[in-house]
This record gives sequence, structure tokens and C-alpha cells, in this order.
Amino acid sequence: DAGITQSPRHKVTETGTPVTLRCHQTENHRYMYWYRQDPGHGLRLIHYSYGVKDTDKGEVSDGYSVSRSKTEDFLLTLESATSSQTSVYFCAISESSGFGSPLHFGNGTRLTVT
Amino acid sequence: AQSVTQPDIHITVSEGASLELRCNYSYGATPYLFWYVQSPGQGLQLLLKYFSGDTLVQGIKGFEAEFKRSQSSFNLRKPSVHWSDAAEYFCAVGNQAGTALIFGKGTTLSVSS
Repeated sequence: DAGITQSPRHKVTETGTPVTLRCHQTENHRYMYWYRQDPGHGLRLIHYSYGVKDTDKGEVSDGYSVSRSKTEDFLLTLESATSSQTSVYFCAISESSGFGSPLHFGNGTRLTVT
Repeated sequence: AQSVTQPDIHITVSEGASLELRCNYSYGATPYLFWYVQSPGQGLQLLLKYFSGDTLVQGIKGFEAEFKRSQSSFNLRKPSVHWSDAAEYFCAVGNQAGTALIFGKGTTLSVSS
């Protein structure tokens, strides 16, 4: 299995509070992604990174920011959490773009915003 | 815009019976296509992928998928389902920028004894 660790695995927070989720990889892969998974929606891309300090928005980026200061870490921040951000968040990595190598996923973070 | 449709939200199959999960995609060029499986509480695991060449691709756990350009389909099949195959299955297509996957909404497979 690809070395991907997401932390925390579960979190409950209150509306309006900031939340940061962490994805750590030991594969030295260049590309990292944050997806959210919601019933009836499948997985939707929030943000992705194609290198240190290089990030871009995905399909559902509003309300989220990311940072990547090291190859191995990709942080997802909810500046002011809302109930609509209750979801399961998955980090994924890949060695290259263009899908020469597939995505490998972490085990997810379940976030509940009350 | 690219999109992926999985028409079946939930399918129940008897153990030992054959399985086919449907996937249709919308894409302007030769697509990169994938099937992933997700067991409860777990991340997604790659079953198989199609980039080019032979339209019938083999994957792990006895799964295969066939790419049919004329039908814009990439259906997943297994000749004999095992109870351990009960999970959620996602079809995905690579986006035009080559930077991320676009997923279907998933099909939940239940296996009855």
C-alpha cells in the first residue's frame, strides 16, 4: 500500500471554527489531491498540488484553502467550518500527471461540523 | 466538460453469479478510464485502468472491464461474485488537463447468499 497518512481520522468541530486536515506521504510523489466524498455525489476534487508551493483549485474549492510547503505534506484548511462541509475527506497521491500512474488514496478523515 | 455516469446506484447479486457494473463517460478525446473499489471505512483501491490498446483490461481480484468507444462505456465485469466483493465501486475518467480524476457517483454492490 502507498504510504499515505491522513490525520486526524475523525474530527467533530463547531460551525465557524477553523479546521486543518493533514495528509502525509512517504512516497515522494509530486502530485497530491484533496477530495471530499458525500452520499449521492461520489468523490469531488477540492484542490490539488503539482509540487511544493504549486496548487490549484478543483471542482468544489469554495471555503477551502491548501498549502504544501514540503513534498510530503499537503494541508487542507477550512477557514470557518460550515455544516455543509461535513463530509469524508480523502487525500490522494500520484507520481505523475497524465495518469501514467494512478491515484493512491489515504483512508480518509471523517469531519462533522455541528 | 468531462463527466461519468454510473446508472445503477445499488445492485444486489447472488454469490457465484456474474456481475456487470455500468459506466458511461463523456470526454472529447481518448479517455483514461479507471475503476476503483471502496470497502466500508476504507480508502479507494484501484481495480484496473485503461489508457490505450486492448479494449479488454484485466484487473485485480478477478475483475475485468471493456472499453467500447462507440458506446462511450467502460463496464466492469466479474464472472463469479464472492461475498467479499460487497463494496462501493467507482468509475473515473482522467480530466483533460491530466491533473485529476472525475468520479462517478458510485454503485453499491450487495452480495446475497
